[in-house]
Amino acid sequence: EADIYQTPRYLVIGTGKKITLECSQTMGHDKMYWYQQDPGMELHLIHYSYGVNSTEKGDLSSESTVSRIRTEHFPLTLESARPSHTSQYLCASTWGPEQFFGPGTRLTVL
Amino acid sequence: KNEVEQSPQNLTAQEGEFITINCSYSVGISALHWLQQHPGGGIVSLFMLSSGKKKHGRLIATINIQEKHSSLHITASHPRDSAVYICAVSHIGGADGLTFGKGTHLIIQP
Repeated sequence: EADIYQTPRYLVIGTGKKITLECSQTMGHDKMYWYQQDPGMELHLIHYSYGVNSTEKGDLSSESTVSRIRTEHFPLTLESARPSHTSQYLCASTWGPEQFFGPGTRLTVL
Repeated sequence: KNEVEQSPQNLTAQEGEFITINCSYSVGISALHWLQQHPGGGIVSLFMLSSGKKKHGRLIATINIQEKHSSLHITASHPRDSAVYICAVSHIGGADGLTFGKGTHLIIQP
């Protein structure tokens, strides 16, 4: 069973702050993903990575950035948070075609 | 038109009823995923299938590749089955990651 961890689980922050959402997995998966889910809406892919030093933008345009310096770690950063960034952010990793999801970070920007 | 369409969007049923959730897609896929999302936001993968039928406990998933259609069935439904059920597809040769349906919000009343 894959273990994927996300911190924080909940974050309420003011406009203009820089934030980093953490995602780690312990299974050595190369492929990792970030999805964004607005309330009541479907998930959309915003970033993915095929491995260390690989990052790609997903289908949904996002002002966030990601990095992949270590296999197990795939953090997402917002340089200046805005209310429009209020959403849930889910991290996932893949073994073959099967995806494993983290518990998500629910972000509220005031 | 979304690439992945689910129906119904909302479903309320009595405990013990047989539940069917439908998913249609319009793109070539390598696999179709059924996911479960509870109110806390975390997502659990229920099934991944590319042909035929799979069964796990009271859950059954079927897919018809020619008709681009899949169904998720729940037998002897129980209040703990209440959740959002999401259909998602992995594209053939397309961008990485999953494309998601909007989800079916299921409530099972005692």
